[in-house]
Amino acid sequence: GAGVSQTPSNKVTEKGKYVELRCDPISGHTALYWYRQSLGQGPEFLIYFQGTGAADDSGLPNDRFFAVRPEGSVSTLKIQRTERGDSAVYLCASSSGGPKYFGPGTRLTVL
Amino acid sequence: GQQLNQSPQSMFIQEGEDVSMNCTSSSIFNTWLWYKQEPGEGPVLLIALYKAGELTSNGRLTAQFGITRKDSFLNISASIPSDVGIYFCAGGDYGGSQGNLIFGKGTKLSVKP
Repeated sequence: GAGVSQTPSNKVTEKGKYVELRCDPISGHTALYWYRQSLGQGPEFLIYFQGTGAADDSGLPNDRFFAVRPEGSVSTLKIQRTERGDSAVYLCASSSGGPKYFGPGTRLTVL
Repeated sequence: GQQLNQSPQSMFIQEGEDVSMNCTSSSIFNTWLWYKQEPGEGPVLLIALYKAGELTSNGRLTAQFGITRKDSFLNISASIPSDVGIYFCAGGDYGGSQGNLIFGKGTKLSVKP
């Protein structure tokens, strides 16, 4: 597709469960970013990949959060032992030496 | 986390009116970006600014990168109903591609036909 795609669009899980959120960046974009957006707030940075490696993971809130990008394209954000406070929209963005283009997000609800 | 000061928080205007919103920061940024977000969608890039003092237009939208590098504004002229949405400013340390962006809390725009 032409833009960044994210799956699933919605995810409802129970507290304590493990979830994986997937991002397909724009083809050819080497940089990939994960952001988290809570209700009424702007997006907050989580992690940035340049190719396969995490260039900056300073935004990950704790060690329950982890992200991978094994082949330098698709990325997966993994959240262990989910908590109700993890409920938010998780946005993925990609870029190719210029501005970031965002996907539609995955709305995560932890019950 | 750190956020920019974006104002106003919300605006209710009549179709055809001009709109102005701004963003300020205590930190210097090398890049300012303006995004629009509609319900259930991710932010869509409107304008990117890379140089202090730069003034850039995109149709009815005009944005400026402040001389001090600590602020930016966005103007929308002759608003129309499809301008409705939340507008976010974002500041970056690098050329917009490396590193992370710091976002404002958004300006919610409502347009009355």
